[in-house]
Amino acid sequence: DAGVIQSPRHEVTEMGQEVTLRCKPISGHNSLFWYRQTMMRGLELLIYFNNNVPIDDSGMPEDRFSAKMPNASFSTLKIQPSEPRDSAVYFCASSRLASANTGELFFGEGSRLTVL
Amino acid sequence: AQSVTQLDSQVPVFEEAPVELRCNYSSSVSVYLFWYVQYPNQGLQLLLKYLSGSTLVKGINGFEAEFNKSQTSFHLRKPSVHISDTAEYFCAVSETDKLIFGTGTRLQVFP
Repeated sequence: DAGVIQSPRHEVTEMGQEVTLRCKPISGHNSLFWYRQTMMRGLELLIYFNNNVPIDDSGMPEDRFSAKMPNASFSTLKIQPSEPRDSAVYFCASSRLASANTGELFFGEGSRLTVL
Repeated sequence: AQSVTQLDSQVPVFEEAPVELRCNYSSSVSVYLFWYVQYPNQGLQLLLKYLSGSTLVKGINGFEAEFNKSQTSFHLRKPSVHISDTAEYFCAVSETDKLIFGTGTRLQVFP
């Protein structure tokens, strides 16, 4: 069974450009989470979805960030315009809703974003 | 809101030595606690979890953790580490249907 798939694995862009990160959760999982990892702030939860519906986006840094989940097998995290301080590794994780609070999250390998 | 604190950002240790990675949590209600491991250039993997029952939980790769309610701690231990245990370790607590992670502890095992 395929795990959580994220793309791109690496992205280098210039300040002001639009960045789109993509995630395909594990089939059958109905909770999806976007995390951001930096040296300074560690692992931060940005937003999560249950059954394709955004539940909590309080971790989204500002209006430049947006996330969508148009169907059960795909989600995007968009940054427009990007800034150097957005440089980080962005992780997508999925789980079954029934076990989301029991910790059984499955993480993708991450998308490393560098904004110059 | 729930939170976890990992006091040690880095823990250097020699191979075959024992190790303890510390985690303290803050919560006024029953908690579920977890340890995740992140190997270089990879995503996080669940190492072990405490939901209820025995306060000593065993995980993969010989790791174990003890839930201590009076001290609000959930420290991770291994009696003898290997070079391959070099990784970042994250303690986490559940809050409704999401996980809140600590800042991580980098375990560096030297030969």
